[in-house]
Amino acid sequence: DGGITQSPKYLFRKEGQNVTLSCEQNLNHDAMYWYRQDPGQGLRLIYYSQIVNDFQKGDIAEGYSVSREKKESFPLTVTSAQKNPTAFYLCASRSGGVGGEQFFGPGTRLTVL
Amino acid sequence: GENVEQHPSTLSVQEGDSAVIKCTYSDSASNYFPWYKQELGKGPQLIIDIRSNVGEKKDQRIAVTLNKTAKHFSLHITETQPEDSAVYFCAARGTGGSYIPTFGRGTSLIVHP
Repeated sequence: DGGITQSPKYLFRKEGQNVTLSCEQNLNHDAMYWYRQDPGQGLRLIYYSQIVNDFQKGDIAEGYSVSREKKESFPLTVTSAQKNPTAFYLCASRSGGVGGEQFFGPGTRLTVL
Repeated sequence: GENVEQHPSTLSVQEGDSAVIKCTYSDSASNYFPWYKQELGKGPQLIIDIRSNVGEKKDQRIAVTLNKTAKHFSLHITETQPEDSAVYFCAARGTGGSYIPTFGRGTSLIVHP
């Protein structure tokens, strides 16, 4: 069963702690993305990666970091430098080529206490 | 860069009525326009898309129209059902190397039984 998995579904952390959100895909997609979604807001791009060992900042990268050591995996670390980390985080991947469609995972809701 | 405006932000209809959500985009180079449905607490799901060489596309009760001259596209849902209640996002994407879509801010569709 192919798809994108994100874990955990809910995550609670204390202020000042770093936390890593997992994203795995078995669709053999080259490109992967991280978005942040706040209530009533659209989707804001944090980081994206088009190939293994390469990634670029999106619109709101400050306070976040990523790695792309494997094609299937694109973990996101929310650092203590992120001023307002409580949000719904969505991972996505895209099939290759000009017409590639983007698919989303189920999301992780992060709450910082 | 691309800018996507989506209206209305909230749409309330009675079961069986039609619903129309409209989006405008600014970059004439955009050539791919997906629509996503997001249910509460879940990731967005691609429901239909249209490319710039096509004016209309239908899939059962859902249709999308594109007017390239006016730079707007719309989602039409006929015979709405309560399970259509969700947030719908439009997006526009060009052929730039990163293939990153620009999303609208979403429309909350409520279908009353």
